[in-house]
Amino acid sequence: SAVISQKPSRDICQRGTSLTIQCQVDSQVTMMFWYRQQPGQSLTLIATANQGSEATYESGFVIDKFPISRPNLTFSTLTVSNMSPEDSSIYLCSAGLTGELFFGEGSRLTVL
Amino acid sequence: QKEVEQNSGPLSVPEGAIASLNCTYSDRGSQSFFWYRQYSGKSPELIMFIYSNGDKEDGRFTAQLNKASQYVSLLIRDSQPSDSATYLCAVLKMGGSQGNLIFGKGTKLSVKP
Repeated sequence: SAVISQKPSRDICQRGTSLTIQCQVDSQVTMMFWYRQQPGQSLTLIATANQGSEATYESGFVIDKFPISRPNLTFSTLTVSNMSPEDSSIYLCSAGLTGELFFGEGSRLTVL
Repeated sequence: QKEVEQNSGPLSVPEGAIASLNCTYSDRGSQSFFWYRQYSGKSPELIMFIYSNGDKEDGRFTAQLNKASQYVSLLIRDSQPSDSATYLCAVLKMGGSQGNLIFGKGTKLSVKP
């Protein structure tokens, strides 16, 4: 399995600000992804983080709101821009390895 | 119809019993199915995946897949209080990348000592 570290683990943010979440994997992986888990809900894929190119976003998610970087095979960032209370959620980084998908511990964001 | 459906529970079983968790999916062409366990406040942890019809066993866990009925289940034998968690069923979206999993809302399992 892959060990995936995220930071911050949690944060409280003000409306209108932006926050960047970092994700580090302990081994080189082909696929990295960002998911969101809203309170009481299941996980929803935000985007696939592509190494060296623009991320691939799922329906309902846009680059201006959730810019993603992936400069190499072990690291990615997700920025939540111009936050509103509706963005309060857990954001999870995940990595695909040999057909299995593993998750980081998540970043719990609360927007006031 | 939701793409992946699970009974939200809670499902309560006594310690030592068999817990049966069920999941149905809408895309008949789906090929890959996953079960994750999520403890409260923690991230999902992969328990098992199954690709072929039939049963797949791993320790106390057995995944069952019936593609004709579009049905996946997870059996937990000799349930322990430490198995108390939310169990998420996930299906790989057809045409999607490896990580494009469609998750159900999860079934909360409670194992009583």
